[in-house]
Amino acid sequence: DVVLTQTPPTLSATIGQSVSISCRSSQSLLHSNGNTYLHWLLQRPGQSPQLLIYLVSRLESGVPNRFSGSGSGTDFTLKISGVEAEDLGVYYCVQGTHALMYTFGAGTKLELK
Amino acid sequence: EVQLVESGGGLVQPGRSLKLSCAASGFTFSNYYMAWVRQAPKKGLEWVATISTSGSRTYYPDSVKGRFTISRDNAKSSLYLQMNSLKSEDTATYYCASPGNWFAYWGQGTLVTVSS
Repeated sequence: DVVLTQTPPTLSATIGQSVSISCRSSQSLLHSNGNTYLHWLLQRPGQSPQLLIYLVSRLESGVPNRFSGSGSGTDFTLKISGVEAEDLGVYYCVQGTHALMYTFGAGTKLELK
Repeated sequence: EVQLVESGGGLVQPGRSLKLSCAASGFTFSNYYMAWVRQAPKKGLEWVATISTSGSRTYYPDSVKGRFTISRDNAKSSLYLQMNSLKSEDTATYYCASPGNWFAYWGQGTLVTVSS
């Protein structure tokens, strides 16, 4: 089974600070069709998760461009360039490369310093 | 506006059954793979089941395989999760979601509590 390891588990930031979250997979997420099915979600307190980034680096419609994703194979990164108060919550990476059996990372909680 | 509205949660005794429903609107439901994802209290997200667009293919993790059954009715734009032999560790908020478009759509969730 694919395991996604997110680091750090908790991230303290000030408003305006740039931060990064890592997601490492136990197996390559490159599909035989050339796509890499690694996505990033944000769950704000008391809300359902929402999609931020899909297919490693594509910004979901309506998501601010201070969010960006990068990576390949087994190593992926979500970067927030200038944290705003509305960005607080728990970030999850999720993979869908392997036979429609999805795996979520354990989450990274972003809080204000 | 896209909406996914779950229902059917509640308090149930261990060993009993429960069926969740998810009503979809605002998008062409039949075009998307759909899934159930759960979140235990104060915990992370856990994938529970996936179903293909026609309903002919289903996928489960080992933790629920043989106990849970996902199904859909495209004519009614509805997704279902039949949960049998429930255990205390199945206590969670259950979300329906759309892996078919990279999890862009989520419902508000329905809480299932398994306790005697």
